[in-house]
Amino acid sequence: DAKTTQPPSMDCAEGRAANLPCNHSTISGNEYVYWYRQIHSQGPQYIIHGLKNNETNEMASLIITEDRKSSTLILPHATLRDTAVYYCIVRVRGRIQGAQKLVFGQGTRLTINP
Amino acid sequence: ETGVTQTPRHLVMGMTNKKSLKCEQHLGHNAMYWYKQSAKKPLELMFVYNFKEQTENNSVPSRFSPECPNSSHLFLHLHTLQPEDSALYLCASSQAGSGAPGGEKLFFGSGTQLSVL
Repeated sequence: DAKTTQPPSMDCAEGRAANLPCNHSTISGNEYVYWYRQIHSQGPQYIIHGLKNNETNEMASLIITEDRKSSTLILPHATLRDTAVYYCIVRVRGRIQGAQKLVFGQGTRLTINP
Repeated sequence: ETGVTQTPRHLVMGMTNKKSLKCEQHLGHNAMYWYKQSAKKPLELMFVYNFKEQTENNSVPSRFSPECPNSSHLFLHLHTLQPEDSALYLCASSQAGSGAPGGEKLFFGSGTQLSVL
């Protein structure tokens, strides 16, 4: 699986958009980009995933560059509850009968300031 | 509430004790996972079960013994642990092999915070 690089920490003001970058320059054509977050003392929570098109759901937007070597997770209106560690993971989509084996890196510690 | 329940939430044990961690998922998933998260380290995948069969053992010491009696339950049996085994142990489940978009989402429990004295 391709390796990802994320800044170790970021700050964002409450109510502003939080833009979290991720580099995955060795990503291959069949690898998806997944984002999870982990709020202190809880298990990670799935946010969004994509292959090459931009994706949006009720939690966030995912922007993937045309060459797919990097992506950005956007939290449009950050709140204090968005303070967490955000993980960017690239993974081949699970095959039939294959369980998902996500490998988590260090992630980005996002702090939302009032 | 993620649909994945782990008990106990906290556990303190001595090095000679035997204890078990329990995980139950109410999502109808067919794959379950154990992860370990030590302080200031990334999550480490320990075991993967797919349709009750173990498909991954990530070089975990034998003092950790997983058990998956059915697709909804997963246990981690602990014996003769070391202080460095103190960590947050997380269970997750997913619907493996789903062709639906987002079918590979992992749903995590809140974890068991284990302290080995």
